[in-house]
Amino acid sequence: GQNIDQPTEMTATEGAIVQINCTYQTSGFNGLFWYQQHAGEAPTFLSYNVLDGLEEKGRFSSFLSRSKGYSYLLLKELQMKDSASYLCAVMDSNYQLIWGAGTKLIIKP
Amino acid sequence: GAVVSQHPSWVICKSGTSVKIECRSLDFQATTMFWYRQFPKQSLMLMATSNEGSKATYEQGVEKDKFLINHASLTLSTLTVTSAHPEDSSFYICSVSPGQGAGGTGELFFGEGSRLTVL
Repeated sequence: GQNIDQPTEMTATEGAIVQINCTYQTSGFNGLFWYQQHAGEAPTFLSYNVLDGLEEKGRFSSFLSRSKGYSYLLLKELQMKDSASYLCAVMDSNYQLIWGAGTKLIIKP
Repeated sequence: GAVVSQHPSWVICKSGTSVKIECRSLDFQATTMFWYRQFPKQSLMLMATSNEGSKATYEQGVEKDKFLINHASLTLSTLTVTSAHPEDSSFYICSVSPGQGAGGTGELFFGEGSRLTVL
């Protein structure tokens, strides 16, 4: 079956760095997405990786290793507004998105 | 600006009534739209794929007679929850992907979501 694994919850301190891991097993691979979702709101797009390596976008970076079925989202200089759930999703060979359950990130002052 | 508009944002209804949720693609024509449901503290669950001019494709376990989907134009899809019951209370979200399929990133743009509470 298809499976996306990510930690349920993480806690970090304001100003610090946090890495959220995602491992996947899917039928084919057409890219991996990271979305941010604040409580009660719809998800918003953060990043897309289809090739191995690191994609940097401001304070957020996303890494992909296709051979390992592994990705991480790196958040630097954490701010209180970064408290949210972070969803990992993989597009399979049929271009269907397989969603992880999300990682709830709690930022403490 | 918003790419996808969803309405209403909040709806409270009595058990047994029907509720219609609209999803509009504002920036491009969408032959395909996706409807998701999300229960508290859970991830998004794809309910159905809405196809313009044809029948929607429902995921396993989703009752097509209960969740009616109409995609009458390239910019509008509607989800009607018929004979709603308290267990249907959830966060319903629509999305569109301008680059779906080969050659596109498949990035999804989401509507604001509709929170349904059935009393």
